[in-house]
Amino acid sequence: EDKVVQSPLSLVVHEGDTVTLNCSYEVTNFRSLLWYKQEKKAPTFLFMLTSSGIEKKSGRLSSILDNKELFSILNITATQTGDSAVYLCAVTEYGNKLVFGAGTILRVKS
Amino acid sequence: SAVISQKPSRDICQRGTSLTIQCQVDSQVTMMFWYRQQPGQSLTLIATANQGSEATYESGFVIDKFPISRPNLTFSTLTVSNMSPEDSSIYLCSVAGRVSPSEAFFGQGTRLTVV
Repeated sequence: EDKVVQSPLSLVVHEGDTVTLNCSYEVTNFRSLLWYKQEKKAPTFLFMLTSSGIEKKSGRLSSILDNKELFSILNITATQTGDSAVYLCAVTEYGNKLVFGAGTILRVKS
Repeated sequence: SAVISQKPSRDICQRGTSLTIQCQVDSQVTMMFWYRQQPGQSLTLIATANQGSEATYESGFVIDKFPISRPNLTFSTLTVSNMSPEDSSIYLCSVAGRVSPSEAFFGQGTRLTVV
């Protein structure tokens, strides 16, 4: 059965800290790995990763994929209270079906 | 990215009733996806809606409980039928990206509470 596992389940840090969120996966027909930020209801797209070893960056956020060891990490540097959210990892299979992990709840304290 | 309008944003419904959620996309898309997110849980795919054919349901979801319409390439509805408190969830519609089909974009979501 396809599965996506995220760790940690929750995390509390102080502003300015750096955090690393983990996502491992086992899927039959891997196509890409996606990271989302969910603050209220709708997940907001962050990154899509398809190639192993190529880092993607957007401001203080960065992510990389290892498709041999089947995991990805999401880094957030110099965290701010606005980074508090649930971070979701999902894997796309052929047919565009998304399999989501349970998410990591991040709380950044001021 | 696609612009997806979903409504209602939230609703409180009596058990035994049904609610229809609408999803409108600003461009034509082949597939639309409906997800459910129960409290404290991650997103689970309910079904894939293709225009002109019946929706494809995931394991654990059936058409009688979650009928879906897809009358054209920009619109879909999901109905939650004969609701019970266990149906209280966030329901989200999603479409694949135009530039990269592997990306997925979401509507604003519908927060449903069944009392």
